[in-house]
Amino acid sequence: AQSVTQLDSQVPVFEEAPVELRCNYSSSVSVYLFWYVQYPNQGLQLLLKYLSGSTLVESINGFEAEFNKSQTSFHLRKPSVHISDTAEYFCAVSDLDRINNFGNEKLTFGTGTRLTIIP
Amino acid sequence: GAGVSQSPSNKVTEKGKDVELRCDPISGHTALYWYRQRLGQGLEFLIYFQGNSAPDKSGLPSDRFSAERTGESVSTLTIQRTQQEDSAVYLCASSLDGAKRGQYFGPGTRLTVL
Repeated sequence: AQSVTQLDSQVPVFEEAPVELRCNYSSSVSVYLFWYVQYPNQGLQLLLKYLSGSTLVESINGFEAEFNKSQTSFHLRKPSVHISDTAEYFCAVSDLDRINNFGNEKLTFGTGTRLTIIP
Repeated sequence: GAGVSQSPSNKVTEKGKDVELRCDPISGHTALYWYRQRLGQGLEFLIYFQGNSAPDKSGLPSDRFSAERTGESVSTLTIQRTQQEDSAVYLCASSLDGAKRGQYFGPGTRLTVL
C-alpha cells in the first residue's frame, strides 16, 4: 500500500524567508502527486499537482514543487513567504496500480505540516 | 458556483447511537469521496463513488460504517452504534472524473461521540 511521509509536523518561518516542506512517498511505478492547503477555519484546497511531463510544477501564489522519482519526493518550496501563507499543508499521492481509465483513485495523504509565519 | 457542502457541521452524539452525515457534491462531478481526519492525523480514505460503478469501500474501518450515493448527487455516510474512536472530522470531496483533476473538499462534519 502507498504511504506518504511528511516528517515536519510544524515549520515556523520568518516572513519573507524561504521555506521547504518535505514530502516523501513509498515507491510505485507511476504516481500522481498533490499538495493541498488548509487555511485557518477553511476547507482543504488543491494547491498544485503533478500528473506527468515537467517535474517542476507551480501554483498561482508562488509555491512550487518538484517531482523527484529517484528520491520518491515531492517537496514544496516558496522563496519568500507571507503572513497569508499560514496554513496546514498536506501532501497526497494517487498511485496507478490498476490498469483502467482512472487508475487507483484513492488519495493517500500525509499527516500534514503546519506552516507558521513569524512577522 | 456552489462548492461541496456538508451537513451537519457539528454533531455530538452518545456512544451506541447511529449518525448520518450528508454530502452535496459540486453539480456535474461524477466522483465522490469520503475521508476521516482524526485529531493530529492525516486524512484517512473511507469510500469512493465513481458514476454508476460499484463503490470502492476498501477504506471503511468496520461494518458499522456504510455509505450511499443517489446517482451522481447526494451521498450519506452512516455510522451505526457509534464508538468514541469514531470521533473525528469527516470530509467529503468531489471531482469531475477522478483524482487527477483535483478533489474539491467540503468543510467537513465534526463528529464527537461522548
